Amino acid sequence: EDQVTQSPEALRLQEGESSSLNCSYTVSGLRGLFWYRQDPGKGPEFLFTLYSAGEEKEKERLKATLTKKESFLHITAPKPEDSATYLCAVQAGNTPLVFGKGTRLSVIA
Amino acid sequence: DAGITQSPRHKVTETGTPVTLRCHQTENHRYMYWYRQDPGHGLRLIHYSYGVKDTDKGEVSDGYSVSRSKTEDFLLTLESATSSQTSVYFCAISEAGGDQPQHFGDGTRLSIL
Repeated sequence: EDQVTQSPEALRLQEGESSSLNCSYTVSGLRGLFWYRQDPGKGPEFLFTLYSAGEEKEKERLKATLTKKESFLHITAPKPEDSATYLCAVQAGNTPLVFGKGTRLSVIA
Repeated sequence: DAGITQSPRHKVTETGTPVTLRCHQTENHRYMYWYRQDPGHGLRLIHYSYGVKDTDKGEVSDGYSVSRSKTEDFLLTLESATSSQTSVYFCAISEAGGDQPQHFGDGTRLSIL
């Protein structure tokens, strides 16, 4: 079964329309949850690491939060250049990083 | 940007031929990883290395081998390529394992006809 589930699969927003992406996980012994941005034809670009429930990280229009079961990536007043696929990954115990399938975000001007 | 170079960036080859992909880093990071990315799947780990000549298998290692003779280079070899290995391959590096972030190269698009 999937250990990391991202929703929605795709999201279309108008410029300035704030929203959130979800990453739920079922692993135990979380050591870190990672958010990445991936543009077409490029490798994933690291955004944030969250280590414990209640932790928050911010970067420009992006804010990542973490609970014991899920993480949210909040996008405030998005711009067209925020269009990308956002990936979530979880590291638990001594197991390798497990990635979700991503959310494809389109921001329309 | 993390100093990671993957080569080649694109390759088309035929079933049954051997293929080697190269990942070169200039960050002197200990850990290096090979992933594949396919539609409908998340990034899946093929093999990883935690030091020179120290490697281990990932989730989808069948049909692949790796070698790391220098800190900066990590090679992925498909001994006899199959059409199911058509994919985009990404190399990643991290300073340490576990909860340290991985940084990715821009990938190699491999097509096996």
